[in-house]
Amino acid sequence: ETGVTQSPTHLIKTRGQQVTLRCSSQSGHNTVSWYQQALGQGPQFIFQYYREEENGRGNFPPRFSGLQFPNYSSELNVNALELDDSALYLCASSLGSGNNYGYTFGSGTRLTVV
Amino acid sequence: GQQLNQSPQSMFIQEGEDVSMNCTSSSIFNTWLWYKQDPGEGPVLLIALYKAGELTSNGRLTAQFGITRKDSFLNISASIPSDVGIYFCAGKNTGNQFYFGTGTSLTVIP
Repeated sequence: ETGVTQSPTHLIKTRGQQVTLRCSSQSGHNTVSWYQQALGQGPQFIFQYYREEENGRGNFPPRFSGLQFPNYSSELNVNALELDDSALYLCASSLGSGNNYGYTFGSGTRLTVV
Repeated sequence: GQQLNQSPQSMFIQEGEDVSMNCTSSSIFNTWLWYKQDPGEGPVLLIALYKAGELTSNGRLTAQFGITRKDSFLNISASIPSDVGIYFCAGKNTGNQFYFGTGTSLTVIP
């Protein structure tokens, strides 16, 4: 059973650019959630995807968007990058959208915006 | 949105000591989780709690779901060096979103 894998592990972008982060969910999981973790903070919910549809969104602007593919892998896209977007982006997978059993997290993508 | 406050913010303890940390919320939750995060890694689930008053153990770890449903506690007994890391609480109600706390950083001195 493979866990959650994210790519790339590290990324440096310039303010105003666009970025795409990728996530492969754990085998058997059909739901993917994305979280942003700023340095020294707890993760903040961005959105969740279930069966290729957005299924819940946190307090993030529309320039944060996502996709889920038929194999349940997912992408997080961020347009018009700002310096404050610098953070660890975590992907978590679970079975079912209303799962109360907690998620399996990947190791994250460290995004630095300069 | 909901705010989860964890205390203490950081702890420095001797190996072998017991550890207690807690998490309080401004809102009621029906699920509480405790995660541990090592540097450069994602959070790893330690314990999940689903019922007010519930007390659950996982090895040397014990967590409790507060009666008010607005708080939770995590205890670690007989700490060892590999317990070092940041511990996060997370709460959930009827939505799809887990709200994470601010974290407690634990340092174990051998």
